[in-house]
Amino acid sequence: GAGVSQSPSNKVTEKGKDVELRCDPISGHTALYWYRQRLGQGLEFLIYFQGNSAPDKSGLPSDRFSAERTGESVSTLTIQRTQQEDSAVYLCASSLASGSQYEQYFGPGTRLTVT
Amino acid sequence: TQLLEQSPQFLSIQEGENLTVYCNSSSVFSSLQWYRQEPGEGPVLLVTVVTGGEVKKLKRLTFQFGDARKDSSLHITAAQPGDTGLYLCAGPIGSGNTGKLIFGQGTTLQVKP
Repeated sequence: GAGVSQSPSNKVTEKGKDVELRCDPISGHTALYWYRQRLGQGLEFLIYFQGNSAPDKSGLPSDRFSAERTGESVSTLTIQRTQQEDSAVYLCASSLASGSQYEQYFGPGTRLTVT
Repeated sequence: TQLLEQSPQFLSIQEGENLTVYCNSSSVFSSLQWYRQEPGEGPVLLVTVVTGGEVKKLKRLTFQFGDARKDSSLHITAAQPGDTGLYLCAGPIGSGNTGKLIFGQGTTLQVKP
């Protein structure tokens, strides 16, 4: 079946502009995670959705970052007034349910470059 | 704050050599995971270790979880060019079993033919 998909695959934007990144999780997966990966680094947790519960936003680095999820489907990560330090690969993952016993399946990521 | 430190950060070896990658923390983890990531792709889960002292094998890869559940290692026997990639260890963070993960900074492995 289809895996996690993300769009766009690459995004170049000017400093100060807003960007919207999209994630399509695997159908039936109730948990969805966003991570950020800076060049040559590991992944940094940003936000987590489980079903219709309120999202866990504890990893968002500033109030310029926000995310939404429609039910148990598509999620969008929005970065307002982008800064150069926002340049990174943004990865989305979904799992059947929340919990470390459930494997997270990652999308290919969106590479964001802020000029 | 829970941290995972990986070493080495970079490793370049010849085909057929053995190698070990380490993942260390001062915190106890309920489990640790190892992922492999190739350029332009997301990480793919290789293994989860959950019991202190546990050893798991996946073909030429051997994973070990430390007795105190603060560290883990990945050993590759007779490395192949297809093993080239970024290896990441990860562990659960935060209260409750949410699945949120903290990752090490990764080990970039290059295996030359």
